[in-house]
Amino acid sequence: GQQLNQSPQSMFIQEGEDVSMNCTSSSIFNTWLWYKQDPGEGPVLLIALYKAGELTSNGRLTAQFGITRKDSFLNISASIPSDVGIYFCAGDTNTGNQFYFGTGTSLTVIP
Amino acid sequence: DAGITQSPRHKVTETGTPVTLRCHQTENHRYMYWYRQDPGHGLRLIHYSYGVKDTDKGEVSDGYSVSRSKTEDFLLTLESATSSQTSVYFCAISGTSAGGTEAFFGQGTRLTVV
Repeated sequence: GQQLNQSPQSMFIQEGEDVSMNCTSSSIFNTWLWYKQDPGEGPVLLIALYKAGELTSNGRLTAQFGITRKDSFLNISASIPSDVGIYFCAGDTNTGNQFYFGTGTSLTVIP
Repeated sequence: DAGITQSPRHKVTETGTPVTLRCHQTENHRYMYWYRQDPGHGLRLIHYSYGVKDTDKGEVSDGYSVSRSKTEDFLLTLESATSSQTSVYFCAISGTSAGGTEAFFGQGTRLTVV
């Protein structure tokens, strides 16, 4: 399967700080998706990206589709306690609508 | 919330018994998926479907089979459950928005094989 490297694996930050995480692939993707998962729940879609270079925001979240189409970035500004969770990136090569997932970034926000 | 319902939400079963998990959608999406989630591995694709009676294998399909007799239902069957299949199973559906393709997840089924 496709290899998606997501980093960092975990982050411990103070409330109010900004967060950055990224995802890289060995293959070109046509779509990048970012999800957040709370304990005991399914992943929830945060942001979808469809064009190389695209920058999209959803509240305090901003994600970018890398120009090479092999990477994507997610930034969270002014973190708050409810940002705690696991963030996943996912990519679609557009060959049969198969989505491949990174291993996740676990975010802890210290009040 | 996307209209995806997984059942059961929790199940404990014995090694060697057959188990079927159900995914039901109300969105009329063409694509449906089964993933498993394990610590350190993220989400791994088991099988997916691109239409009624049309299915294909994912990266971890051994020991699993699927069926899709209606657009809205996608079943995952463990023919003879093993302890290595203890996991959280997620169903997902894929639809197209104005920009492109998105995938939405159910709430998961926690399966324990003892």
